[in-house]
Amino acid sequence: RKEVEQDPGPFNVPEGATVAFNCTYSNSASQSFFWYRQDCRKEPKLLMSVYSSGNEDGRFTAQLNRASQYISLLIRDSKLSDSATYLCVVNGPNQGGKLIFGQGTELSVKP
Amino acid sequence: GAGVSQSPSNKVTEKGKDVELRCDPISGHTALYWYRQSLGQGLEFLIYFQGNSAPDKSGLPSDRFSAERTGGSVSTLTIQRTQQEDSAVYLCASSLAGHFGTDTQYFGPGTRLTVL
Repeated sequence: RKEVEQDPGPFNVPEGATVAFNCTYSNSASQSFFWYRQDCRKEPKLLMSVYSSGNEDGRFTAQLNRASQYISLLIRDSKLSDSATYLCVVNGPNQGGKLIFGQGTELSVKP
Repeated sequence: GAGVSQSPSNKVTEKGKDVELRCDPISGHTALYWYRQSLGQGLEFLIYFQGNSAPDKSGLPSDRFSAERTGGSVSTLTIQRTQQEDSAVYLCASSLAGHFGTDTQYFGPGTRLTVL
């Protein structure tokens, strides 16, 4: 089983749609959680950290369920510029700064 | 300010040759990481340097891979006797402190390695 698993993509949605990405992680002792965004042939960039209480940044909402070892990202009112691959990322205890990346879910927002 | 830089941006080599990939982290960042991303795959952790501590080499796929970080700044990833399966984008990242992964990691643009 992979340490971090994400929905297989791609997701093709029209502008204005709401889209949700799901992610599960296997190490119950994991402590830090993130969503990164990666544009085609570019480096990953941090989109947002995920906190236990859930957090929102504009059109983006991240949720964490530690009991289920589940992370989600919701994008509301999607824009063409949201088209990218979204990476679920986890860091665990005793792993220093090492990040474990999911395979990524590709999102394509169409006019 | 300047971000993480990597060189070369592209490297084509023949099977069996050695290659060196360079990473310049953001000034003042004590933690430096190497990852690789094969075609259609997620990022795979390779090695992690934190200050003067011994590096975490747990992700290196074989003893053909090694990395150094001189003076707590620039890092070089060396792949000896390259194989075709080494073809990937090698990404370097740095963060301010690195402890427990709570710091944001900033990635460089990567080096695209092709082994013929």
